[in-house]
Amino acid sequence: QSALTQPASVSGSPGQSITISCTGTGSDVGRYDYVSWYQQRPDKAPKLIVFDVSQRPSGVSSRFSGSKSGSTASLTISGLQAEDESDYYCNSYTPSGTFVFGTGTRVNVL
Amino acid sequence: QVQLQESGPGLVKPSETLSLTCAVSGFSISSGYFWGWIRQPPAKGLEWIANIYHSGNTYYNPSLESRLFISVDTSQNRFSLKLRSVTAADTAVYYCARDRGFGAFEIWGPGTMIIVSS
Repeated sequence: QSALTQPASVSGSPGQSITISCTGTGSDVGRYDYVSWYQQRPDKAPKLIVFDVSQRPSGVSSRFSGSKSGSTASLTISGLQAEDESDYYCNSYTPSGTFVFGTGTRVNVL
Repeated sequence: QVQLQESGPGLVKPSETLSLTCAVSGFSISSGYFWGWIRQPPAKGLEWIANIYHSGNTYYNPSLESRLFISVDTSQNRFSLKLRSVTAADTAVYYCARDRGFGAFEIWGPGTMIIVSS
């Protein structure tokens, strides 16, 4: 059960849109529409921002959107803001009811 | 408001068993949902450890399964984790969380730091 692959870092200027990829395999991301995304600020617990590929929990900004194509899921942050500077992790359901997280991406707001 | 709070020893000696508990308030575990454990080694990424359903059905990370045991105590409204034969590689912040389904961990505890050292 290998970690899903994410870019180590993504940067953007305020107001821009950025996209974070999360690449798995046909056994996890490619097989199930159960990908979730988390935002983690320093020394804080992660926060769920997208689940089931593209659904947002109540209270999460519409600037966060998720999608999937084949074995790669993506998180797009539009209208980038300074407060979006955080670490982001994806997570996918896998066979037998287990889960695997991504390697994590640091978002830098220039 | 649903809240989760981890509790643990802080420091564990190598080869010993780590025991953690997650106390749930504002929601009855017996009402449903999956409840999970996730950990994060210092300066590293998240690793899913295990999930348990309120009925007691368990799901373990295959890489940890041989050392793991998780349980739920609905009378105390808490769930627990035991990890045997710990090594320095088990040093991490351990989080408990509520899973709304299929890995959507929607509510998290603040985390507890566990250091494995003699």
